[in-house]
Amino acid sequence: GENVEQHPSTLSVQEGDSAVIKCTYSDSASNYFPWYKQELGKRPQLIIDIRSNVGEKKDQRIAVTLNKTAKHFSLHITETQPEDSAVYFCAASSRSNFGNEKLTFGTGTRLTIIP
Amino acid sequence: DAGITQSPRHKVTETGTPVTLRCHQTENHRYMYWYRQDPGHGLRLIHYSYGVKDTDKGEVSDGYSVSRSKTEDFLLTLESATSSQTSVYFCAISESSSRGTGRSYEQYFGPGTRLTVT
Repeated sequence: GENVEQHPSTLSVQEGDSAVIKCTYSDSASNYFPWYKQELGKRPQLIIDIRSNVGEKKDQRIAVTLNKTAKHFSLHITETQPEDSAVYFCAASSRSNFGNEKLTFGTGTRLTIIP
Repeated sequence: DAGITQSPRHKVTETGTPVTLRCHQTENHRYMYWYRQDPGHGLRLIHYSYGVKDTDKGEVSDGYSVSRSKTEDFLLTLESATSSQTSVYFCAISESSSRGTGRSYEQYFGPGTRLTVT
C-alpha cells in the first residue's frame, strides 16, 4: 500500500519568514495530494490540494509543488503569521474501485510561528 | 464547515464493552469515512462507505465494524473495546464527483470523538 513520509516533525519560524514542509510517497499511481491544517482540539481542515497533472498550485500565501518523478511534494507558506501555528498533514491518494480516493496521511508537522 | 456532526464527542468506556460512534451528515455526500488519529501516526483510515449498505476496509480495520443504513449516517462499532483503541476518531465525507471528473477527491472532516478505553 501507499506510504507517506513527512518532514520535519516540528518547525519553528520567525513571523514573516517562510515555512516549507516536505512529503514523499511510495505509490507512483497516486494522483491527488491534499494538505490539511489542524489547530489544537479542532478538526483537520483542507487548505490546498494538487492533482498529478499539475506541478504547482498557489492560493494567496500558500503553495504546493509536486515532483512526480521524484515522488515528493511540498507545502510552502510565505509571510507567516501567528495564526499559521498548527499541525499540518500531507496525504497521498490511492484510487478505490468505487469512484473515490483513499487517503494515506503523513505523520504531521507542528509549525510554530515565533512573534 | 461541512454539515458533519459526530456523537458522542467524548466517551470513556471499559475494556471489553461494545461502543458505537455515530457520524451524521446533511450534505447528501455519497462517500463517508472513519479515521483514527494517534500521536506519531497521523490519521489512519479504518473503514469507508461508498453508498447505503456498501462499505470497504481501510488500513486499520481489525477490531472495528461499520454500518450505513441511510445516506446521512455512518456508524463505527467497536465490538469489544481494548485499550489500544483509545484514540480520537474522525468521520469525513466526500461528494460523488468533482469538477465533472466523475471521481471524488476532497474530504471534509467532522469535529471528532475522543474515546478512552480504561
